[in-house]
Amino acid sequence: GAVVSQHPSWVICKSGTSVKIECRSLDFQATTMFWYRQFPKQSLMLMATSNEGSKATYEQGVEKDKFLINHASLTLSTLTVTSAHPEDSSFYICSAREPAGAGNEQFFGPGTRLTVL
Amino acid sequence: GENVEQHPSTLSVQEGDSAVIKCTYSDSASNYFPWYKQELGKRPQLIIDIRSNVGEKKDQRIAVTLNKTAKHFSLHITETQPEDSAVYFCAASSGFGNEKLTFGTGTRLTIIP
Repeated sequence: GAVVSQHPSWVICKSGTSVKIECRSLDFQATTMFWYRQFPKQSLMLMATSNEGSKATYEQGVEKDKFLINHASLTLSTLTVTSAHPEDSSFYICSAREPAGAGNEQFFGPGTRLTVL
Repeated sequence: GENVEQHPSTLSVQEGDSAVIKCTYSDSASNYFPWYKQELGKRPQLIIDIRSNVGEKKDQRIAVTLNKTAKHFSLHITETQPEDSAVYFCAASSGFGNEKLTFGTGTRLTIIP
């Protein structure tokens, strides 16, 4: 099956710093990737939809200037948490959708645990 | 937008018994309904999915049923085993445009040996 990787798997940073998380589709081209956030014992909440070569579409309530998304190639999307604060501590998961026409299935990355001190 | 409700939030069953988790959705345009299993600290794993042109799908001990009229779908796990213990999420997607998924709130399933 399709493989999606994320890097780093965990990161600890000081309040006020920025953190970049990478999401890669390893064996297929993903024109669309999705970024989710999951707080402890809660569900996955979609933050934004990342489209290769165009601006990301953010869900209501998600600050686009704080969570910068770049999808510069068909295999890489990045999420940068700018000026991170303790309330941004969460599990961030990306997913990539199969190419158009191949179905709806999304393949998830292993997640990145962000802890902001 | 789409809203997906999931029940129950926790479920404990004896090993060997069946478990049923139910979800309802609000958007009649939704046509893709996956179920995910997530273990602590891990990525969600797709265990089964169903599309709106099908009423039921089965894969060994796991089955999903869909009632489009009532806008609800259910996950059935038979002959439960300890390794089935995890959090299960349902989701729905319209299948148009970017096909974003809306997740249910999750069910923590515990199999009692």
